[in-house]
Amino acid sequence: AQSVTQPDIHITVSEGASLELRCNYSYGATPYLFWYVQSPGQGLQLLLKYFSGDTLVQGIKGFEAEFKRSQSSFNLRKPSVHWSDAAEYFCAVAPNNNDMRFGAGTRLTVKP
Amino acid sequence: NAGVTQTPKFRVLKTGQSMTLLCAQDMNHEYMYWYRQDPGMGLRLIHYSVGEGTTAKGEVPDGYNVSRLKKQNFLLGLESAAPSQTSVYFCASSWGGTGELFFGEGSRLTVL
Repeated sequence: AQSVTQPDIHITVSEGASLELRCNYSYGATPYLFWYVQSPGQGLQLLLKYFSGDTLVQGIKGFEAEFKRSQSSFNLRKPSVHWSDAAEYFCAVAPNNNDMRFGAGTRLTVKP
Repeated sequence: NAGVTQTPKFRVLKTGQSMTLLCAQDMNHEYMYWYRQDPGMGLRLIHYSVGEGTTAKGEVPDGYNVSRLKKQNFLLGLESAAPSQTSVYFCASSWGGTGELFFGEGSRLTVL
């Protein structure tokens, strides 16, 4: 069965520092891959997605993610974190649009 | 442009009571979904619909029923609420096939 793992439950970074959030998936073929962000009390918003092609994907708010087939990973990165990036981040995988599976989430705290 | 709207936003039930959550979207999306979000577990798909008049089970459908009588609305029902159904419920919609889900702001349900 397909699954997605986010190893880090909570990460704290200083404002201006770089960020990498990890995501690993388990699936026979390369699924569609996504990162969503959830601000407190809000629904989820799509940051970026990977379907095929270039393995480095650019998203909104200065985020990017790199798909590595050999590692079954789709890590999210940002070169310089802003205080407004504090939120919960979810990686998701889907073989199609009917069955998107989400990771447990990584909560990001940004120190001033 | 309201996007995806969920009502009610908060509800407290006693064990055994019934209730319905309403999701409305104004984007003319074909696909609609109900997820539940629990701490440390991410989002889990309850039921989904790929068009008016259709519904299908997701990962955790037991104890819930759904209906999609109109394209813009997707109802989630609990016939006999249990404490295990205490959760935050999210509705989402999409065109289908693009992978981007548009989420509502969530409905927090507490079952005593």
